Amino acid sequence: KAGVTQTPRYLIKTRGQQVTLSCSPISGHRSVSWYQQTPGQGLQFLFEYFSETQRNKGNFPGRFSGRQFSNSRSEMNVSTLELGDSALYLCASFTSPSYNEQFFGPGTRLTVL
Amino acid sequence: GESVGLHLPTLSVQEGDNSIINCAYSNSASDYFIWYKQESGKGPQFIIDIRSNMDKRQGQRVTVLLNKTVKHLSLQIAATQPGDSAVYFCAERSGNTPLVFGKGTRLSVIA
Repeated sequence: KAGVTQTPRYLIKTRGQQVTLSCSPISGHRSVSWYQQTPGQGLQFLFEYFSETQRNKGNFPGRFSGRQFSNSRSEMNVSTLELGDSALYLCASFTSPSYNEQFFGPGTRLTVL
Repeated sequence: GESVGLHLPTLSVQEGDNSIINCAYSNSASDYFIWYKQESGKGPQFIIDIRSNMDKRQGQRVTVLLNKTVKHLSLQIAATQPGDSAVYFCAERSGNTPLVFGKGTRLSVIA
């Protein structure tokens, strides 16, 4: 069974631009969570989706948004990029919100110049 | 490889010795705990989990201990190998709330 896929793996943008990251969960998994990982703040929760509905949202500004499609694939968007948005963005998939084990993808490394 | 954390606490262990990685959690309502391993350039990988109704759980070469009285979690790795070198994160959750991750500990295995 294929694991969680995230595209692109690496991305370089400039301040003020926007970016869209994609996550394909493990087949059969209907829940997806997104995390931002930085050296200073560690792993911080962004959003959680289940069956196209956002169930939880972390403490991030409105520039960060996401969605989930009917095939469980998810995207997150960051608008008006800032230098501080440079991070590894991780997606995790799991069977359902009540199921604890989350499987992480390799992440998308975003660099904002 | 990518730097997961520049200023993480580091544990250096001789190959073949046992490793103990500690984690303090803050939410007394947390009922589920999990340990992840993250190697450079990769996403976190599940190691072992434990629910709050248990105080010990064993896996292959790993044991997780939970002390709810002092809100402390530990991961023990037996016969540490070079391949165990990575950053280890503990995470907690209460009910269906999102996982809250600790800052991580870097394990360095000396051959």
